[in-house]
Amino acid sequence: NAGVTQTPKFQVLKTGQSMTLQCAQDMNHNSMYWYRQDPGMGLRLIYYSASEGTTDKGEVPNGYNVSRLNKREFSLRLESAAPSQTSVYFCATQGRTPYEQYFGPGTRLTVT
Amino acid sequence: SQQGEEDPQALSIQEGENATMNCSYKTSINNLQWYRQNSGRGLVHLILIRSNEREKHSGRLRVTLDTSKKSSSLLITASRAADTASYFCATGSGGSYIPTFGRGTSLIVHP
Repeated sequence: NAGVTQTPKFQVLKTGQSMTLQCAQDMNHNSMYWYRQDPGMGLRLIYYSASEGTTDKGEVPNGYNVSRLNKREFSLRLESAAPSQTSVYFCATQGRTPYEQYFGPGTRLTVT
Repeated sequence: SQQGEEDPQALSIQEGENATMNCSYKTSINNLQWYRQNSGRGLVHLILIRSNEREKHSGRLRVTLDTSKKSSSLLITASRAADTASYFCATGSGGSYIPTFGRGTSLIVHP
């Protein structure tokens, strides 16, 4: 089992460009999450999806959109990238045990 | 916004020593968890302690929770170089089931 996978691992964008970060899980978990991690800031929740077909905003949703394509996949889209979106992005899932999350390896994004 | 605040921000010890890191939080919680993050990797769930528990063990890990002081500690006994990582506390409260993460403690264990 791969667990939670994310693509790409690294990405460099120019200001104004768009891109989609992909996340897939084979754990059959209902809930999926997108976080960003910045130095000294810990993890901040961008968006989450409690189940297939639903999405909700987290703490820092501005500048992002998400799609819960099916139970396995949850993508994060940056429509017009800004330097402030330079960060490491993590996808996570949560199964039947509340609060216990499983993380992907992350995508390191640089916006110049 | 962060609920938990870890202390110290950074900790450097020798292999074999014990490592203790603390987490303080502000509002009442249902539970508190600790995660580990190795460099360049995602977080890994270590242990969850419920608000009605005072102490929990898992291998070389010992977690305590003092709800009256709104604080928790993570003790790693007989540390190894492989324990080098960042450690995050995360609190769970209300009915959302989504943890709120702190900023983390960076632990370096020298061989």
